[in-house]
Amino acid sequence: DGGITQSPKYLFRKEGQNVTLSCEQNLNHDAMYWYRQDPGQGLRLIYYSQIVNDFQKGDIAEGYSVSREKKESFPLTVTSAQKNPTAFYLCASSILGDNQPQHFGDGTRLSIL
Amino acid sequence: QKEVEQNSGPLSVPEGAIASLNCTYSDRGSQSFFWYRQYSGKSPELIMFIYSNGDKEDGRFTAQLNKASQYVSLLIRDSQPSDSATYLCASRSTDSWGKFQFGAGTQVVVTP
Repeated sequence: DGGITQSPKYLFRKEGQNVTLSCEQNLNHDAMYWYRQDPGQGLRLIYYSQIVNDFQKGDIAEGYSVSREKKESFPLTVTSAQKNPTAFYLCASSILGDNQPQHFGDGTRLSIL
Repeated sequence: QKEVEQNSGPLSVPEGAIASLNCTYSDRGSQSFFWYRQYSGKSPELIMFIYSNGDKEDGRFTAQLNKASQYVSLLIRDSQPSDSATYLCASRSTDSWGKFQFGAGTQVVVTP
């Protein structure tokens, strides 16, 4: 079945540690996205990528980094510079074209130890 | 900053009634609009999209788009307790073609 796979489902970070969240899609979608969602809040865009080896900052990119070396993969690293990383992280992908929606993975819940 | 706005709710709806959710957007160039349902602790799932003025129906859901007034709405007929969720409205940005603008979501609570 085609879809978006995020792993792990739950992740714990120690102070000063970088952690990487995985996102893989087999939908052959061009664009991939990372969002952060805090309790009771909407989605905030961290980074997005429309093509391999290129990506753009979203609204809250500070303290995060990404790479897009393969079309199927868009990992997100939460660095130690992100002082409040506890949140629900959502990866999404879409076909680039008018009227094409985003589809979401199941999310990764990150907490501070 | 181009925005998509929704009432946060909660919108309380008796079982069997119609739930009406509204969304306004500031980007006059936006062409396509999407409604997602998000259950607590889960990821958003697409339920409807619309890009032409007028109504689009899919089962118990009807999306309505009025580009002149810059609003999108979602009607849920015969509301069920399983419809209790947060509904997110989204549009494609015209500033960056690949980017989407999301509203903060409207929480719907269907009461038996």
